[in-house]
Amino acid sequence: QAALTQPPSASGSPGQSVTISCTGTSSDVGGYKYVSWYQQHPGRAPKLMIYEVGVRPSGVPDRFSGSKSDNTASLTVSGLQAEDEADYYCASYAGNNNYVMFGGGTKLTVL
Amino acid sequence: EEQLVESGGGLVQPGGSLRLSCAASGFTLSNFGLSWVRQAPGKGLEWVAAISGSGGSTYFAAAVKGRFTISRDNSKNTVYMQLNSLRADDTAIYYCAKARPATGKAFDIWGQGTMVTVSS
Repeated sequence: QAALTQPPSASGSPGQSVTISCTGTSSDVGGYKYVSWYQQHPGRAPKLMIYEVGVRPSGVPDRFSGSKSDNTASLTVSGLQAEDEADYYCASYAGNNNYVMFGGGTKLTVL
Repeated sequence: EEQLVESGGGLVQPGGSLRLSCAASGFTLSNFGLSWVRQAPGKGLEWVAAISGSGGSTYFAAAVKGRFTISRDNSKNTVYMQLNSLRADDTAIYYCAKARPATGKAFDIWGQGTMVTVSS
């Protein structure tokens, strides 16, 4: 099964907002509320930023928010900061056969 | 501090085997599901396998089904993944990741990863 579809790159200036999309199907993103987002800096392990579509774990700045409409989920980063520059991956539960699908990743550049 | 530490990676020839370990500290691993996620060099994340907290349920990606197995020893607070019939496209950093409580469908703690290289 193909990975979820993310744009390969996104960018914004400090202080601006940027939204990253994640498109799947009714068998994954559209079928469950279990969409999560991960931030990965070069050479580091991924970090959970959003779970269950729009819930932030403790310690994640409220500049990060998530939403979903039909088969597409979105991560919005508001008030961009230099440290937000990283790769971002979406993931969705996809049922017991496929379990978890990841997106291809989006490289976020802070200009 | 809650932490996961992977070990067991290395260089192996095509067709060979490896056993990866994921040891937990700071929390009781048996209370949570755990997954392995891999990342080929320069590529994105790929979910590989998962095991429930009790160990009674396991799940595998199509790419590894029949070649990889996953198990856990709750007395050692450790999860294992046995990698058999390894191929060049299995070359990747392998991360273990703890599932969030309740729904278990997101990963809130990740290890630092262990590199597996399949090459002759």
